[in-house]
Amino acid sequence: GNSVTQMEGPVTLSEEAFLTINCTYTATGYPSLFWYVQYPGEGLQLLLKATKADDKGSNKGFEATYRKETTSFHLEKGSVQVSDSAVYFCALQGGSEKLVFGKGTKLTVNP
Amino acid sequence: DAGITQSPRHKVTETGTPVTLRCHQTENHRYMYWYRQDPGHGLRLIHYSYGVKDTDKGEVSDGYSVSRSKTEDFLLTLESATSSQTSVYFCAISAGQLAGDEQFFGPGTRLTVL
Repeated sequence: GNSVTQMEGPVTLSEEAFLTINCTYTATGYPSLFWYVQYPGEGLQLLLKATKADDKGSNKGFEATYRKETTSFHLEKGSVQVSDSAVYFCALQGGSEKLVFGKGTKLTVNP
Repeated sequence: DAGITQSPRHKVTETGTPVTLRCHQTENHRYMYWYRQDPGHGLRLIHYSYGVKDTDKGEVSDGYSVSRSKTEDFLLTLESATSSQTSVYFCAISAGQLAGDEQFFGPGTRLTVL
């Protein structure tokens, strides 16, 4: 079945540092890929998505590129802020299958 | 913000008691989902609904039942709560279930079973 593996945290960075959170997937066919973010005490919200190979999703300075050859969808940001501190979830959805989440990566950004 | 509310937001109960969590939406979306979030497991699907009175099981459905008598409400019931059901429960909605359809999440209910 479909599955997602993302780097386990926690990840601690200083403000303005470069961020990468790795995500790889296993799926049949051509799934859509997502990054969700969960701020403290809140539900998840969609950060970005890509629906086909080589698509780049972007939002709030975050980017991720759908790489079918490496089955990856790594999340990157060039300069993180304290307000980016949150838990980040990689997820995939293939065809009529249900959304499958990774285990989440907690990011803490220090001033 | 997507119009999703969950009630209660926090609940403490004892083992063996029944518990019902409510999810209410104002978006008239067809699909509704219940997930639980636990450390080290991410989010796992419990049950979902694809219309009024149409529901199906997810990955971790044992010990849970659901009902959807109106488009806007999706109830999750723990018939006899156990300590293993201590978790944070999230409701989500989506307009469709095609690849790429976004799910919108509620604020969550923190349930503690003593």
